[in-house]
Amino acid sequence: AQRVTQPEKLLSVFKGAPVELKCNYSYSGSPELFWYVQYSRQRLQLLLRHISRESIKGFTADLNKGETSFHLKKPFAQEEDSAMYYCALSFQGAQKLVFGQGTRLTINP
Amino acid sequence: NAGVTQTPKFQVLKTGQSMTLQCAQDMNHEYMSWYRQDPGMGLRLIHYSVGAGITDQGEVPNGYNVSRSTTEDFPLRLLSAAPSQTSVYFCASSSTTGGAQYFGPGTRLTVT
Repeated sequence: AQRVTQPEKLLSVFKGAPVELKCNYSYSGSPELFWYVQYSRQRLQLLLRHISRESIKGFTADLNKGETSFHLKKPFAQEEDSAMYYCALSFQGAQKLVFGQGTRLTINP
Repeated sequence: NAGVTQTPKFQVLKTGQSMTLQCAQDMNHEYMSWYRQDPGMGLRLIHYSVGAGITDQGEVPNGYNVSRSTTEDFPLRLLSAAPSQTSVYFCASSSTTGGAQYFGPGTRLTVT
């Protein structure tokens, strides 16, 4: 079965420090991976998809098929990055998403 | 465009009551889905639809019904509410050609 694991429920870093939110997946085929973010009192929104290889708000994520990981990184955290982050996977060209448990990121001043 | 809209924002039900959560989108998206969000469990897919007249079950469909009579609307029905259905419910839509799913603002449901 397809599964997405985010091992950290909570992550707290200081402003200006590097951030890495971990995401591991299990799927034998070619997945499509996403990071979604939910800021306080806002709806879930797409942050990154691995296919586009973009950098959004300073965040990047690289798909590592060997390690089945899709970790989200930012070199210098900002206070406005505090939010709930979800890693998600879709497969077989389907639109269904399998989400990880989420990581609540807090950036301390 | 309003995007994906959901009503109501909040709802309290007693065990055994029924209700319908409404979801609408104005982006002409073929794909729509319902998720529930529970602490420590992420979002789990309840039901989804790839177009008008076509629905299918997701990971946690028990206790919920859906229908898709139009492209725009995808209501979620709770036939007999149970405390285990206390959650935040999100509707989402996307084009079937891929890309991002767009989420609604959510409905916070409490069943007592």
